[in-house]
Amino acid sequence: NAGVTQTPKFQVLKTGQSMTLQCAQDMNHEYMSWYRQDPGMGLRLIHYSVGAGITDQGEVPNGYNVSRSTTEDFPLRLLSAAPSQTSVYFCASSATSGGGVEQFFGPGTRLTVL
Amino acid sequence: KNQVEQSPQSLIILEGKNCTLQCNYTVSPFSNLRWYKQDTGRGPVSLTIMTFSENTKSNGRYTATLDADTKQSSLHITASQLSDSASYICVVTSAGGGADGLTFGKGTHLIIQP
Repeated sequence: NAGVTQTPKFQVLKTGQSMTLQCAQDMNHEYMSWYRQDPGMGLRLIHYSVGAGITDQGEVPNGYNVSRSTTEDFPLRLLSAAPSQTSVYFCASSATSGGGVEQFFGPGTRLTVL
Repeated sequence: KNQVEQSPQSLIILEGKNCTLQCNYTVSPFSNLRWYKQDTGRGPVSLTIMTFSENTKSNGRYTATLDADTKQSSLHITASQLSDSASYICVVTSAGGGADGLTFGKGTHLIIQP
């Protein structure tokens, strides 16, 4: 099992550009989520999904879109990148939601917006 | 508002020494508490999870304690090794803690010196 994979590992964008961060898991997990991690702050939830076709907003959803067409994939789209979106992005998955089961995190994507 | 406070922010100790990291939370209603280890440039990995009725749980040289009355948890590392250098994140789950029920602490950055 590869677990949770994310691509790319690093990305530099110019303000206004759009891009998609890819996330995939091979554990047949229903629950997937996206977090951003900034210096001096805890992980913050951007969007999450409790199953294919179902997504919902987290704590900091503005400027980001998600979709969940399959159980395996959960891409995060930046519509028009802004310097405030410079961060490290983590995708996570678990069998169910609620924190009672272990969440598995991907290796992260480090994004810089100039 | 649900909060998780970790202390110290950073800690430097010599290899072979023990250390204790603290986590105080104001999350209600409480469901469980998990400690994660995050190596530099990697995603967090779960170390332990404790529910309301558990007050100690070990994972090798890592021992977590939970006092649900005072809403405090600690992570004790015994005989530290260079590979213990990482950030340690406390995460508390509750029905009211964010969209997915999870409230993340900002982490303690631990450095083990030879």
